[in-house]
Amino acid sequence: GQQVMQIPQYQHVQEGEDFTTYCNSSTTLSNIQWYKQRPGGHPVFLIQLVKSGEVKKQKRLTFQFGEAKKNSSLHITATQTTDVGTYFCAAGNTPLVFGKGTRLSVIA
Amino acid sequence: EAGVAQSPRYKIIEKRQSVAFWCNPISGHATLYWYQQILGQGPKLLIQFQNNGVVDDSQLPKDRFSAERLKGVDSTLKIQPAKLEDSAVYLCASSLRGLSGNEQFFGPGTRLTVL
Repeated sequence: GQQVMQIPQYQHVQEGEDFTTYCNSSTTLSNIQWYKQRPGGHPVFLIQLVKSGEVKKQKRLTFQFGEAKKNSSLHITATQTTDVGTYFCAAGNTPLVFGKGTRLSVIA
Repeated sequence: EAGVAQSPRYKIIEKRQSVAFWCNPISGHATLYWYQQILGQGPKLLIQFQNNGVVDDSQLPKDRFSAERLKGVDSTLKIQPAKLEDSAVYLCASSLRGLSGNEQFFGPGTRLTVL
């Protein structure tokens, strides 16, 4: 079945440093979604990417969808302590398949 | 707008006991999902309802898990009998139509511990 691999599994950064997480699939995806889950919380939708090569920005967050629609990335510029949490990509085919996530820790 | 409601928030049971979880989705959302999230992993879909019909239950362990959404609104997920490996957070989510790419709204989850 559909699988998405996320790397890295963990990332520890100093506040102010940048952070990137990658999501890869062996098959072409119709679309991809990104979710954030704070410690002890539930996943919260961030964005959806649909088009090949698409780039979307939300303040300090930049999301990209690969040209072949097999990979995606989330980049955070100048991390803040409020960015702490686990970031999941989810393949948009039905059913939605989540990656294992990248856990981000930010050291103040 | 009220979010997805779930209860209970926490449940501790012994193996071989039964347990039930309840979910009330966002008003007007036709699609309801139950996920299992084991510590350190991403949510895994157990079952997806479109109104009161099952769309996908391919990953639901049907020998012990059951779910229903009788009136197309709220839903219950039951485990009978529970095993140690069922310890996880059970998340309910809903979306407007359930089409590929629809944003899903998650509830706070029920944390189940099986001893």
